[in-house]
Amino acid sequence: QKEVEQDPGPLSVPEGAIVSLNCTYSNSAFQYFMWYRQYSRKGPELLMYTYSSGNKEDGRFTAQVDKSSKYISLFIRDSQPSDSATYLCAMSLRSGSARQLTFGSGTQLTVLP
Amino acid sequence: GAVVSQHPSWVICKSGTSVKIECRSLDFQATTMFWYRQFPKQSLMLMATSNEGSKATYEQGVEKDKFLINHASLTLSTLTVTSAHPEDSSFYICSAPGQNNSPLHFGNGTRLTVT
Repeated sequence: QKEVEQDPGPLSVPEGAIVSLNCTYSNSAFQYFMWYRQYSRKGPELLMYTYSSGNKEDGRFTAQVDKSSKYISLFIRDSQPSDSATYLCAMSLRSGSARQLTFGSGTQLTVLP
Repeated sequence: GAVVSQHPSWVICKSGTSVKIECRSLDFQATTMFWYRQFPKQSLMLMATSNEGSKATYEQGVEKDKFLINHASLTLSTLTVTSAHPEDSSFYICSAPGQNNSPLHFGNGTRLTVT
C-alpha cells in the first residue's frame, strides 16, 4: 500500500462545475498538507498549504484536512478551463523538508469550455 | 512569494555529453535545494538534496557520479548530468523551501532529451 493514495483520473468536468480532488494517507504523523498544481511541461505550483486539521479557503479553492480519517480534499468552485492541469497532493512531517515530503501520484483534471 | 528559477527550460544533447542545469532562488536564500526527476504521467521522484557549502545527499538508487550537484552559493544549485544516455531523458525539477521553512517552491523544470 502506498503511503499516499490519489485517484489519477483523468477527470473531465464542464466549465463552472465544482471539482473535488482527494487523497488518503496512512501515516498519522503527517502534519503539513499541500496541494500543488502542475501544468503540462511546467514545475508544480503551490496552491494551498494547511497545517493539521481544518479548512482553508483562498478564492475559488478550499482545502480540507481530516486527520481522524486521514483524508484531504481540494475543492475548486466555478471551475475554469485554465484550471485544467494535474493536481498533486503532498504531505510531510515538517514543513520545508523534501526528504520528508510525500507526493500523491497526481490527478489530471480537464475543464471543458 | 518565493520564486525559484530554473535554466534551461529544455535541452537536447547527444549521447556521451554532459549537461548542466541551474536552479536559482530569486528573492530568498536557500541553504538547501532539492532535485527531482519526473517521468511522463508520474509523480516527482526526489533525487538528491543540495546543501550549500557541503556535499549533496543522494537518494537510494541515484548515481552520485552521474548526477553531479554543486551548491556554490546561497542562491544557486547546479545539477550536471554527466555522460548522458537516452535513458537519462526526463523532466528535471528543482525546489527550495521558502522563508522560515515554508513549503517547497518549484522551478519550472528542465526537459532533457538525449539523442
